[in-house]
Amino acid sequence: DADVTQTPRNRITKTGKRIMLECSQTKGHDRMYWYRQDPGLGLRLIYYSFDVKDINKGEISDGYSVSRQAQAKFSLSLESAIPNQTALYFCATSAPGTPTNEQFFGPGTRLTVL
Amino acid sequence: RKEVEQDPGPFNVPEGATVAFNCTYSNSASQSFFWYRQDCRKEPKLLMSVYSSGNEDGRFTAQLNRASQYISLLIRDSKLSDSATYLCVVTGGSNAGNMLTFGGGTRLMVKP
Repeated sequence: DADVTQTPRNRITKTGKRIMLECSQTKGHDRMYWYRQDPGLGLRLIYYSFDVKDINKGEISDGYSVSRQAQAKFSLSLESAIPNQTALYFCATSAPGTPTNEQFFGPGTRLTVL
Repeated sequence: RKEVEQDPGPFNVPEGATVAFNCTYSNSASQSFFWYRQDCRKEPKLLMSVYSSGNEDGRFTAQLNRASQYISLLIRDSKLSDSATYLCVVTGGSNAGNMLTFGGGTRLMVKP
């Protein structure tokens, strides 16, 4: 079983709809992250959370919100989706204090907003 | 200017070739450096860390030049399975909490 899972894997929606992307992890990590990836732009950080009561904005948080429901769950919401939010979304986790700060990614959610 | 810049490629090389990628970063306060690998339509995974003294892992060698603010990855004896996008990643600098900052990636295609 995958350590970091994301649902749904693919989603097509219309402008103005509310969308929630879910992320779950079994790695026992405290830190969780949401990124979006666009061609040529690399991964950009949307939000991150260092524990259940901690939520922080990343580089591109406008138009998004998150909820850390439990240590193992971190969801990303688009309250009113717009076409330029079409992208590949990744959730990631990490453990504090590791030399590499290695992040472990979920398989991604491909979101298309029409 | 992007904080981490890479040539997007693609680099098309034959099997057995040696190929090198460079990456430049803009923030001299950046502290740690990594290469991640991302297969087509898959998630990124850590390939290796990059140290000032250089480090080698099998056919892969990573180098860091702090004075010039660039990082390199050398792949020797390329295999078909090396075909992927290689992401240059830095931490520290302008990011709080030791966040990772990703370059746009360099795509490598190894041909038979």
